[in-house]
Amino acid sequence: GAVVSQHPSRVICKSGTSVKIECRSLDFQATTMFWYRQFPKQSLMLMATSNEGSKATYEQGVEKDKFLINHASLTLSTLTVTSAHPEDSSFYICSARRGENYGYTFGSGTRLTVV
Amino acid sequence: AQKITQTQPGMFVQEKEAVTLDCTYDTSDQSYGLFWYKQPSSGEMIFLIYQGSYDEQNATEGRYSLNFQKARKSANLVISASQLGDSAMYFCAMRDRPGNQFYFGTGTSLTVIP
Repeated sequence: GAVVSQHPSRVICKSGTSVKIECRSLDFQATTMFWYRQFPKQSLMLMATSNEGSKATYEQGVEKDKFLINHASLTLSTLTVTSAHPEDSSFYICSARRGENYGYTFGSGTRLTVV
Repeated sequence: AQKITQTQPGMFVQEKEAVTLDCTYDTSDQSYGLFWYKQPSSGEMIFLIYQGSYDEQNATEGRYSLNFQKARKSANLVISASQLGDSAMYFCAMRDRPGNQFYFGTGTSLTVIP
């Protein structure tokens, strides 16, 4: 079945540094990648949607200069949290679809802690 | 190996009827948590209900209940008195330890018919 590999699973970084999170589709070409952030009460907020080869579409309220998303190939999408602050500490998860007629495949998530 | 399996890609239910969305999981850990999320067309993932592996009673949250059968490794979501607003994608997920990673199923698309 379709697999999305997300790395790292956990990362601790200092305030002001940048962190890159990768999501790779291992056995399919992901035309679309979704990035989520977990908020209290366990809900996952959609941050942005990226299509291969084009700029990501950010949801309202998400700073695109702070959360850089790159979807340079059909198998790799990255989320870079720039100039991280403690309030960016959260759980980030990606999701990919092969196409509109296919289901979603989720990465296993990244726990980011900014100290 | 697939950690979470949702075998129903699409389901239909009549308004005001109950519906069960299937979910089976695979883990060798004794301590784990099971989640159900609703994804409306807006894209966000709305948390619905949680069941801990050590919880002896099935979790309930309003019209949502989780039919937890540990020996069968199933965690089916039951929605009672379906409403039109329940039409959405539903995802089953598990978080096991020590990895603390999330594993999601492929989702079930629920359509409530008036």
